[in-house]
Amino acid sequence: QKEVEQNSGPLSVPEGAIASLNCTYSDRGSQSFFWYRQYSGKSPELIMFIYSNGDKEDGRFTAQLNKASQYVSLLIRDSQPSDSATYLCAVRYPGGYNKLIFGAGTRLAVHP
Amino acid sequence: KAGVTQTPRYLIKTRGQQVTLSCSPISGHRSVSWYQQTPGQGLQFLFEYFSETQRNKGNFPGRFSGRQFSNSRSEMNVSTLELGDSALYLCASSLDRSPGTGTTEAFFGQGTRLTVV
Repeated sequence: QKEVEQNSGPLSVPEGAIASLNCTYSDRGSQSFFWYRQYSGKSPELIMFIYSNGDKEDGRFTAQLNKASQYVSLLIRDSQPSDSATYLCAVRYPGGYNKLIFGAGTRLAVHP
Repeated sequence: KAGVTQTPRYLIKTRGQQVTLSCSPISGHRSVSWYQQTPGQGLQFLFEYFSETQRNKGNFPGRFSGRQFSNSRSEMNVSTLELGDSALYLCASSLDRSPGTGTTEAFFGQGTRLTVV
């Protein structure tokens, strides 16, 4: 059973701080990793994807992948109240074509 | 460039009825996947279509079916609706530059919220 695990939170951080969201996955052969943001009542929005070990930065967001530890994380720098949402980690497994396995999501609350 | 379009946005159906949901992917995207999202189970994969062929299927009963047309638009059908089918149904569109390698991103539509009463 391929699994993706996330802490459900809520993760509460003050405005301007760094929010760190974590995700672990069970299949060592996984190749593609995605972070989606979902506001309440809305659909998931892709914010980052990473395929190689290491860091990938896009504006205030940094995705980190460690395949040896089967761990992927998302850092949000200078957190804003508008970042308050549920963050979903998704993994694509080899042979699964475009099937994504999602974690349960981490709820982030950024307070002023 | 238009995003993924799902219709209708909201539906209320009665137990035992059937329902058809529609998804138009991003222009040029040939892969369409469907997901069910509920508070208890989260986001779960239903099936994926590519070039009118279902190439992957999740663990849902046969009441859930789908198809894809030559213009890449997709429909999913749920027959004999149950109360537990109440959920947000999401369609995701992928470019799939290299079919089978799984190195493309998926973009979601706004979803169809189905309520079964």
